[in-house]
Order: sequence, then C-alpha cells, then structure tokens
Amino acid sequence: KAGVTQTPRYLIKTRGQQVTLSCSPISGHRSVSWYQQTPGQGLQFLFEYFSETQRNKGNFPGRFSGRQFSNSRSEMNVSTLELGDSALYLCASSLTGHGNQPQHFGDGTRLSIL
Amino acid sequence: QQQVKQSPQSLIVQKGGISIINCAYENTAFDYFPWYQQFPGKGPALLIAIRPDVSEKKEGRFTISFNKSAKQFSLHIMDSQPGDSATYFCAASPDISGGGADGLTFGKGTHLIIQP
Repeated sequence: KAGVTQTPRYLIKTRGQQVTLSCSPISGHRSVSWYQQTPGQGLQFLFEYFSETQRNKGNFPGRFSGRQFSNSRSEMNVSTLELGDSALYLCASSLTGHGNQPQHFGDGTRLSIL
Repeated sequence: QQQVKQSPQSLIVQKGGISIINCAYENTAFDYFPWYQQFPGKGPALLIAIRPDVSEKKEGRFTISFNKSAKQFSLHIMDSQPGDSATYFCAASPDISGGGADGLTFGKGTHLIIQP
C-alpha cells in the first residue's frame, strides 16, 4: 500500500509569490491534515480536511489556505510569501480523523523563500 | 494551555542502554498521546500511542509510561541501538479524534544519538 505522497519535495520561491503544495493520502484515508515544521517553532498544526470540508484550523494567518478534492487529495496554498514561511510542510492522513486511528505522515515539501 | 513540553533537547546513550524522554502537558482535555520518530529527510512515523485510561503501554523495545495526576508521560527505549538514532516527538490531542480533526500538539523534539 502506497504511503502519503507529497509533491514537490523541494521548492524555492521569492517573497511575495504564492505557492501550492499537493498531498495524496493513503488509499481509503479521507482525513488529511497539514503541519508546518521549523527549527524554531517545531511542528505546528495548520488545518484538517475531511470530505472536502475544513474541520479545524490552527493559529496561522489567512495567507495559508487549503482544499480537499472528492478523491481525498489535498492542496495547501500560501499567498504573499514571507521569509518566515520557509519550512518543511508535512501532510498526514488517517481513515476518518476520529477514534484510535494513527496519522501517517508524508516526507514533506521543503519550501525555501529567498 | 496548549503546550506540550519535552525534555531533554538532546540525548546521547550507549548502545544497549535505556533512552528516556519526558513530556509534560497542561491541557487536561488532552486524552491521546502518541510518540513519533523522525529520521533526516523523512516525515514523522508513529511509534506508539497511549490514552489516559492506562498507565503503561509496551510495544517491543518501546514503552510509554503515563502519569495522569502529574500530567506527564515518557518514552523508554530499551536496549537502544544505533538505528534508533533519530529525533523523537511527543504529541497530544484534545479528544478521541486521535489527532486528526483537532490536530496534534507536538513537543519540540529530542535528538537522540546512540553510540556504538
């Protein structure tokens, strides 16, 4: 069974640009969560989607947004990029996001802002 | 209120020894506590998880100890091996969602090195 797939693996952007990251969950998983990982702040929850609906959102500005498609694949978008947005963006999936279900993480997209 | 405090930041253990990583939380609504292992260039991988209705859970060489009254939990790695060298994160989630719908609150991580 294929794991969580994130594309691209690496991305370089400049300040002010926008970026879209993609996540394909494990087959059959309908809950997709996004996290930002930085050396200073560690792993922080961005948002979670289930059945194309955002159920919860972390403490991030509105420049960070996402969506989920009917096949459970998810994208996250960051607009007006800032230097501080440089981070590893991780996607995790689980069956429904409820109950005793482990979350499986992808290997992330490394975003660098110049 | 949402913090999970993890210690130590780094840890060096001799091969065959016991590695111990500690976490403390404040939010009494947390009731799911997983541990993740992360290797360089990889995403975190779930090692073991516990809920507050048990005080200890063991899976192979990995054991979680949980103290609900003290709001603390710890990971013990028995017979530590060089392949265990990685960064370990504790985490917590506020309800039975298992971290999905409500997100996981992570500790800052422990960089573990097992010396051969």
